[in-house]
Amino acid sequence: DSGVTQTPKHLITATGQRVTLRCSPRSGDLSVYWYQQSLDQGLQFLIQYYNGEERAKGNILERFSAQQFPDLHSELNLSSLELGDSALYFCASSVDRERSNEQFFGPGTRLTVL
Amino acid sequence: QKEVEQDPGPLSVPEGAIVSLNCTYSNSAFQYFMWYRQYSRKGPELLMYTYSSGNKEDGRFTAQVDKSSKYISLFIRDSQPSDSATYLCAMSYRGSQGNLIFGKGTKLSVKP
Repeated sequence: DSGVTQTPKHLITATGQRVTLRCSPRSGDLSVYWYQQSLDQGLQFLIQYYNGEERAKGNILERFSAQQFPDLHSELNLSSLELGDSALYFCASSVDRERSNEQFFGPGTRLTVL
Repeated sequence: QKEVEQDPGPLSVPEGAIVSLNCTYSNSAFQYFMWYRQYSRKGPELLMYTYSSGNKEDGRFTAQVDKSSKYISLFIRDSQPSDSATYLCAMSYRGSQGNLIFGKGTKLSVKP
């Protein structure tokens, strides 16, 4: 158990809908990262937050957004969902920016868009 | 050419074998190299973390980085059925703010 929690475990929804995925980092970790894992693309970095502020953006679509709250938990919002958004979404956390490469992953949320 | 290439396998070995997993990369700016293990339907788990070139050993696992060849390896000695998983290499460069670039993973099966 990495100490990173994610809810929900599974999410089934329809095209055009909006969903919110939630992540709680390990105790003491200030950085949160979101990744998408699909069969064809592998694990891809979406976005990073550090202590409430956006720090880095990867291959995140404009339909997706995220935020990190004062208690350091983070939410990833996916809107206008398409079939191709079906994937595993992982959250990871690290202690600080200096150790940003040592990331600890949560169990993931499996999103199915029908 | 993708930034990080990894043979997807699957790789099947008998229990006790030495396993060699590899990744190649194209971006010479990469300085940090990680190996993650991912069991089916679970999140990736950090196994090894190395900076720049050289070897690092942790129990049955050894990570090697050859920056001149842009090639990294993970060796597993005395492999066990519990090592059956997908192994992902990941890399980043200084200042990347933790934006890890992953290989697609190699699926390993260790047969009893």
